[in-house]
Amino acid sequence: GAGVSQSPRYKVAKRGQDVALRCDPISGHVSLFWYQQALGQGPEFLTYFQNEAQLDKSGLPSDRFFAERPEGSVSTLKIQRTQQEDSAVYLCASSLQGARTYEQYFGPGTRLTVT
Amino acid sequence: AQSVTQPDIHITVSEGASLELRCNYSYGATPYLFWYVQSPGQGLQLLLKYFSGDTLVQGIKGFEAEFKRSQSSFNLRKPSVHWSDAAEYFCAVASDSNYQLIWGAGTKLIIKP
Repeated sequence: GAGVSQSPRYKVAKRGQDVALRCDPISGHVSLFWYQQALGQGPEFLTYFQNEAQLDKSGLPSDRFFAERPEGSVSTLKIQRTQQEDSAVYLCASSLQGARTYEQYFGPGTRLTVT
Repeated sequence: AQSVTQPDIHITVSEGASLELRCNYSYGATPYLFWYVQSPGQGLQLLLKYFSGDTLVQGIKGFEAEFKRSQSSFNLRKPSVHWSDAAEYFCAVASDSNYQLIWGAGTKLIIKP
């Protein structure tokens, strides 16, 4: 596609439910990032993939958060046993490799609300 | 640790007036600096970036930014704003060894007709 797409755009989960958020990067983009954006804040880094390899997961807030990119394209961010503090917009970005990794193209985000 | 400060939570300017959004960063080495814009319901869009070289950087939509090492600043400017520029603007920093972007809290730009 022309840009990064994310689904669903909105997700409401009851506390304790598991959720899965999907990201379709721009075709050919090697690098993929997940960020979490709380209301009124800038995004915060969660994790980074280069192809299928998860090279950095230092931003994942707890072991309830898990991300994968098994074939080096589509990525899924999974949150188990959701808590109210997980409510945020989850942003996915993709980029080319090397120095172009910094030129990150963002999807519209998934707004997660945990009730 | 790297950090980014955007001192203004929101700024209101009249259409046609000039604009300057402030960004200060904390980082030991030469930073890589970015400005992104986020419109309601839209993804973040890269306006411009600074890696090295000329400290005055031109971006899309008529924006520019100037890197001032002595002031640890990377302020965004536009000589004449349009109503379509109303959005939230984020400054971000990265290092040459880490692709993570560290973000400011954003400045919401409001345009008065």
